[in-house]
Amino acid sequence: SQTIHQWPATLVQPVGSPLSLECTVEGTSNPNLYWYRQAAGRGLQLLFYSVGIGQISSEVPQNLSASRPQDRQFILSSKKLLLSDSGFYLCAWGGLANYNEQFFGPGTRLTVL
Amino acid sequence: ELKVEQNPLFLSMQEGKNYTIYCNYSTTSDRLYWYRQDPGKSLESLFVLLSNGAVKQEGRLMASLDTKARLSTLHITAAVHDLSATYFCAVDGGKLIFGQGTELSVKP
Repeated sequence: SQTIHQWPATLVQPVGSPLSLECTVEGTSNPNLYWYRQAAGRGLQLLFYSVGIGQISSEVPQNLSASRPQDRQFILSSKKLLLSDSGFYLCAWGGLANYNEQFFGPGTRLTVL
Repeated sequence: ELKVEQNPLFLSMQEGKNYTIYCNYSTTSDRLYWYRQDPGKSLESLFVLLSNGAVKQEGRLMASLDTKARLSTLHITAAVHDLSATYFCAVDGGKLIFGQGTELSVKP
């Protein structure tokens, strides 16, 4: 069966510091991978998605970036965090069948102070 | 641009009662997904609806899809406290577009 991991689970960072969040998937090959952010108030915002190694599509221009160095690894980064980057970051994978059901990781709660 | 609207956004129910959450979307799609999110937790997949007229049931929850009306419903039967959570619909427009979520609170 497939599993998805994210770390760290919780992170508190000062404004202006760098960020690296990691997501890995087990039990599947060549998954589509996604980064979402959920700010207070519930809405999910798609940040990045990837259909393969080195292939990144950005949905929202901002100070975040994503990379996919390996088939089942997806990384979200920032060089300098802003207060507005606080939120719940969710990684998801999909592409199991010919439809777009996505399966979410446990999330990383980021607080920028 | 595909837009997805859920209503109500907040729902307080008594145990044993029935209620329906509505998910309306703005452009053609025949694929829709329902997720559940417990407080502080991630999203859990509940239902996958892949065609007009699709109906799925799991316990006290039943989801349906009417692609002509661009409407999906999540019906709750005889609510229990364990169903308290936020429920999201997501419409497949190439990417998943999520509704705002419906926060359900079931009280004894």
